[in-house]
Amino acid sequence: EAQVTQNPRYLITVTGKKLTVTCSQNMNHEYMSWYRQDPGLGLRQIYYSMNVEVTDKGDVPEGYKVSRKEKRNFPLILESPSPNQTSLYFCASSFGIQETQYFGPGTRLLVL
Amino acid sequence: RKEVEQDPGPFNVPEGATVAFNCTYSNSASQSFFWYRQDCRKEPKLLMSVYSSGNEDGRFTAQLNRASQYISLLIRDSKLSDSATYLCVVNRPRAGTYKYIFGTGTRLKVLA
Repeated sequence: EAQVTQNPRYLITVTGKKLTVTCSQNMNHEYMSWYRQDPGLGLRQIYYSMNVEVTDKGDVPEGYKVSRKEKRNFPLILESPSPNQTSLYFCASSFGIQETQYFGPGTRLLVL
Repeated sequence: RKEVEQDPGPFNVPEGATVAFNCTYSNSASQSFFWYRQDCRKEPKLLMSVYSSGNEDGRFTAQLNRASQYISLLIRDSKLSDSATYLCVVNRPRAGTYKYIFGTGTRLKVLA
């Protein structure tokens, strides 16, 4: 089944404790992206990747890191999480930058 | 002013009604347009792409008006299962590539 998976789906952590949210797609998509969704603000792009080893900042990259060592995986790293990073996070992928994006199920993160 | 604007609603309509949403965008260089559906903080799922000539998929019709810079979604014969938030997505050039811009969504409630 073609899909985008994210783990964990739910996470409660404390300020400053490094965490990684994994994202994997099995559709051989080149383009992958991370978004956060907050009430009243819609989806905002954190980072995106055009292909392996090619990543770039989105609109709200501060406090996040990403890597793209393999085509299928695009982990999101929070080196030192803070409460303002409490949000709903979505990973998405598509064949190209103008193509339909497919979203993972989301990760709910609470930073205390 | 937001780059992509939607009426947040909610639009409360009875079953069987016809309902229409508009979405305006500010960047005339925008290339691709989509409507996504999102259920209660789950992942967004593509409802339909929007083509210049307009397109229809069953009870759903999408239109693009480039001159006035808006896209629309018409839902005929509304079902209870149509209750969701509808996200307008615009893809436009940025720094040699493209960028997806999401509206904050229009909430639809179909009432029995």
